[in-house]
Amino acid sequence: KAGVTQTPRYLIKTRGQQVTLSCSPISGHRSVSWYQQTPGQGLQFLFEYFSETQRNKGNFPGRFSGRQFSNSRSEMNVSTLELGDSALYLCASSLPGQYTQYFGPGTRLTVL
Amino acid sequence: DQQVKQNSPSLSVQEGRISILNCDYTNSMFDYFLWYKKYPAEGPTFLISISSIKDKNEDGRFTVFLNKSAKHLSLHIVPSQPGDSAVYFCAASGVAGGTSYGKLTFGQGTILTVHP
Repeated sequence: KAGVTQTPRYLIKTRGQQVTLSCSPISGHRSVSWYQQTPGQGLQFLFEYFSETQRNKGNFPGRFSGRQFSNSRSEMNVSTLELGDSALYLCASSLPGQYTQYFGPGTRLTVL
Repeated sequence: DQQVKQNSPSLSVQEGRISILNCDYTNSMFDYFLWYKKYPAEGPTFLISISSIKDKNEDGRFTVFLNKSAKHLSLHIVPSQPGDSAVYFCAASGVAGGTSYGKLTFGQGTILTVHP
């Protein structure tokens, strides 16, 4: 079974731009969660989607948003990029009712 | 407020010996705990988990122990191998976050180095 895939793997943007990252979960997994990893803050939860609905949200500004499609694929969007948004963005998927999440390889975003 | 803490930033162990990685949590509403292994520029890989109704779970060379009264868990790797060298994260989930699933709270990670 294929794992979680994320595209693109690397991205370079400039301040003020917006970016969209994509995540395809493991087949059969309907929950998709997003995390941000930075050296200073570690792994922080952004939000989680289940059946196209945002079910849980972390403590991030409204510039960070996401959505989930009927095939469980998910996208996250960051608008008005800031230098501090440079990070590894990780997507994870899980089966309904299960705590264990399986992570994709991440998207490395660099904001110049 | 850091609800999950890994107080040792790094650990160095000789090949063949035991590696013990520790994790503490503050929120008693957490009821499921996981360990992940991570290499640079890759996503975390799930290793092992434990529910709060248990105090021990084993999977091959990996054993996780949970002490609920102390709000402490540990990961034992026996025997340690050079390929185990990576960053190890503990994570917690449960009703503490308002919903039971979908949100993991991570510790800051411990860099494990296993020397040949």
